[in-house]
Amino acid sequence: DAGVIQSPRHEVTEMGQEVTLRCKPISGHDYLFWYRQTMMRGLELLIYFNNNVPIDDSGMPEDRFSAKMPNASFSTLKIQPSEPRDSAVYFCASSLGPGLAVEQFFGPGTRLTVL
Amino acid sequence: AQTVTQSQPEMSVQEAETVTLSCTYDTSESNYYLFWYKQPPSRQMILVIRQEAYKQQNATENRFSVNFQKAAKSFSLKISDSQLGDTAMYFCAVSGGSNYKLTFGKGTLLTVNP
Repeated sequence: DAGVIQSPRHEVTEMGQEVTLRCKPISGHDYLFWYRQTMMRGLELLIYFNNNVPIDDSGMPEDRFSAKMPNASFSTLKIQPSEPRDSAVYFCASSLGPGLAVEQFFGPGTRLTVL
Repeated sequence: AQTVTQSQPEMSVQEAETVTLSCTYDTSESNYYLFWYKQPPSRQMILVIRQEAYKQQNATENRFSVNFQKAAKSFSLKISDSQLGDTAMYFCAVSGGSNYKLTFGKGTLLTVNP
């Protein structure tokens, strides 16, 4: 298996522009997570899906952020409009089944820079 | 709410030696799991080891082992026979409650010197 795939790996954009980050989970995994990593706040969970349905979006910072999962093999995280404070590494992760012990498999991340 | 504290922002160790990374956590859940994830310079997050809170026996995975002290809410990671490839950021995390959310610490940057 190719693992969790994220694109792009790097994104540089200007303030005010729309940014779309993409994720393909591991085939068969039914949970998908979006995380943001910054020096100041560490690794934070933004939102997660179960069987394509958003379960908890309490970590989404504000209305400028939205996430969708139209099918089991694809998810997007959109920021519109983007701001310099959104600069971070965004990770997508997926897991198989529910459970506290279940390992989450992470993608390589997208480094976003908003100028 | 769950919190994870890693009090050592950076550590270094000589190749082949042993090093211990500290982690304390807090959770109101009675059933939870603890994890150590590794993030090398490639940025990829990799699971190193996990521990079930209701198991007293400490988990081990080859050169990696944990010291789980439930009463003290402490979960340290010991790396034996350190290798250059162990150089990475190490994150402690806790998973508890009905929402399966992982809460991470801020990480410890470990450098293994030749």
